[in-house]
Amino acid sequence: DVKVTQSSRYLVKRTGEKVFLECVQDMDHENMFWYRQDPGLGLRLIYFSYDVKMKEKGDIPEGYSVSREKKERFSLILESASTNQTSMYLCASMFAGIDTEAFFGQGTRLTVV
Amino acid sequence: DQQVKQNSPSLSVQEGRISILNCDYTNSMFDYFLWYKKYPAEGPTFLISISSIKDKNEDGRFTVFLNKSAKHLSLHIVPSQPGDSAVYFCAASAKRGYQKVTFGTGTKLQVIP
Repeated sequence: DVKVTQSSRYLVKRTGEKVFLECVQDMDHENMFWYRQDPGLGLRLIYFSYDVKMKEKGDIPEGYSVSREKKERFSLILESASTNQTSMYLCASMFAGIDTEAFFGQGTRLTVV
Repeated sequence: DQQVKQNSPSLSVQEGRISILNCDYTNSMFDYFLWYKKYPAEGPTFLISISSIKDKNEDGRFTVFLNKSAKHLSLHIVPSQPGDSAVYFCAASAKRGYQKVTFGTGTKLQVIP
């Protein structure tokens, strides 16, 4: 079974803090993604990576950066946390082939106070 | 610009009846479509998918229909069970270019016993 593990289930951070969300997958997938889920807005793509050290902006990259130094690990960084970044963050990975699905981690509920 | 739309935020169905969840997309480059199911405080789990070369795919109680000319797909659940109560996300991707997966806003299904 594919396993995508996010480092924390729940996080509470203060405004202005630098926040790191970590994600590790064990299936040697090339593609990895960070989404955020908000009520009424669905899952919105923040960043994705298709290879080590490669990244592409998603639909809402402002206020975020990412790092992929190893194939199995994809980190999301909130440079200076703000209250509007309070959300559920979901990491996913996917094999880079035709007609494949993405596998998700359990999510991190981040609250910025 | 919402490229994948789920216009019904919620749906209630009696146990044993059919649930029909709808999804529309605007990007004609999309050629692979997926449905995910999400329980609260968990990551989405893959349910069923369909390639653009097909118009129907069936897996047990779940069937997905694709109408390419209308840019519309639907998920049918027959018979619906209380355990099916969850949020369902429609998603789409394109084979060409980066394989990012675009999600809809979700439909919350409640199956009433």
